[in-house]
Amino acid sequence: DTEVTQTPKHLVMGMTNKKSLKCEQHMGHRAMYWYKQKAKKPPELMFVYSYEKLSINESVPSRFSPECPNSSLLNLHLHALQPEDSALYLCASSLTGTSGNNEQFFGPGTRLTVL
Amino acid sequence: SQQGEEDPQALSIQEGENATMNCSYKTSINNLQWYRQNSGRGLVHLILIRSNEREKHSGRLRVTLDTSKKSSSLLITASRAADTASYFCATALPNILTGGGNKLTFGTGTQLKVEL
Repeated sequence: DTEVTQTPKHLVMGMTNKKSLKCEQHMGHRAMYWYKQKAKKPPELMFVYSYEKLSINESVPSRFSPECPNSSLLNLHLHALQPEDSALYLCASSLTGTSGNNEQFFGPGTRLTVL
Repeated sequence: SQQGEEDPQALSIQEGENATMNCSYKTSINNLQWYRQNSGRGLVHLILIRSNEREKHSGRLRVTLDTSKKSSSLLITASRAADTASYFCATALPNILTGGGNKLTFGTGTQLKVEL
């Protein structure tokens, strides 16, 4: 199984809502990532988890809260978002190792709209 | 920022022609990767070239890397309509903090359209 799955595919939420994005992989990868992608722009790294621990937070606002409950799952909890947070949120996973010579496997993304 | 610049921003060719995309970056890297994205969906990894490699092939893809010029190119030969997509280069630094994963910084992307 070389697939990364993400749910939901689409999400519309108000600025006062609390919602969560979910990501799952069963490739045995111990590194998982969240990216944000605005229209016509490249993906921007938000968080990196290595061995279920947060290793990189790219100065993401606290209204985004990541969680890695186990080696297969990655969540992104959303609270009090702003309309400018509307974007495609991509999850990815990869093997680990100090060389960094690993490809990342991406999920199809969640299209988020904040009203 | 290490974000790469890609050119052209958009490229339109006829099926059967070759497509060349270029990527420039700013700092030292561990490797450079190319990804394809269809219609704002997930990215698909195409090829990875390490910093000590100069050229790599995979099927109809040919990638070159010139670390002295901090640039890379992706050549797609004999293009097909199915190659229509956005193509991104991504520079990789190892996640030296934990020894896990890597940190990718994506270039601005090239939108390729292959017409029948």
